[in-house]
Amino acid sequence: DAGVTQSPTHLIKTRGQQVTLRCSPKSGHDTVSWYQQALGQGPQFIFQYYEEEERQRGNFPDRFSGHQFPNYSSELNVNALLLGDSALYLCASSPWAQETQYFGPGTRLLVL
Amino acid sequence: AQRVTQPEKLLSVFKGAPVELKCNYSYSGSPELFWYVQYSRQRLQLLLRHISRESIKGFTADLNKGETSFHLKKPFAQEEDSAMYYCALMRNGNNRLAFGKGNQVVVIP
Repeated sequence: DAGVTQSPTHLIKTRGQQVTLRCSPKSGHDTVSWYQQALGQGPQFIFQYYEEEERQRGNFPDRFSGHQFPNYSSELNVNALLLGDSALYLCASSPWAQETQYFGPGTRLLVL
Repeated sequence: AQRVTQPEKLLSVFKGAPVELKCNYSYSGSPELFWYVQYSRQRLQLLLRHISRESIKGFTADLNKGETSFHLKKPFAQEEDSAMYYCALMRNGNNRLAFGKGNQVVVIP
């Protein structure tokens, strides 16, 4: 089991563009959470998906949206990119209602 | 809202010396507390959680509800302990983690 995988590893976009990040959870996990980690900060919770629905959401604007597929993989979409969206985006998976989350390597997004 | 504070950004210790990373939290309920670690060029991984009361790689952490703290300790630091350490809180019945800003630990040989 490769664990949680994310793609792409790096991405460069310009302001106003849209981006899609992808995550495949660890085998046997059905819950996916997304976090944003700005430079020098701890990860911040964006939202969580289970059974193809957004179950919880952090303090992020509607420009951030997501999706979960029947195979439990997930996408994070960010519209109208701002410079401040430059960060490492982490995906974490777990079985539903279990506290321990397993993290992927992250996607580093740079917005110019 | 819950908040996790890790006051020291960078901690340098000599090999064999004790290391203590401070973590304080603000939350009125009964939280789950975690320490996550990120070694160089590796992904974020769970080090330990308070409910398991384990010692992992020589590290321990005790939840002090009176002081709302969850400090991480190791009596004798090793070079391989050099990493970024994050304290995190999960509200009871809520599957989202709130992280502190992290501590960079450097163990000097």
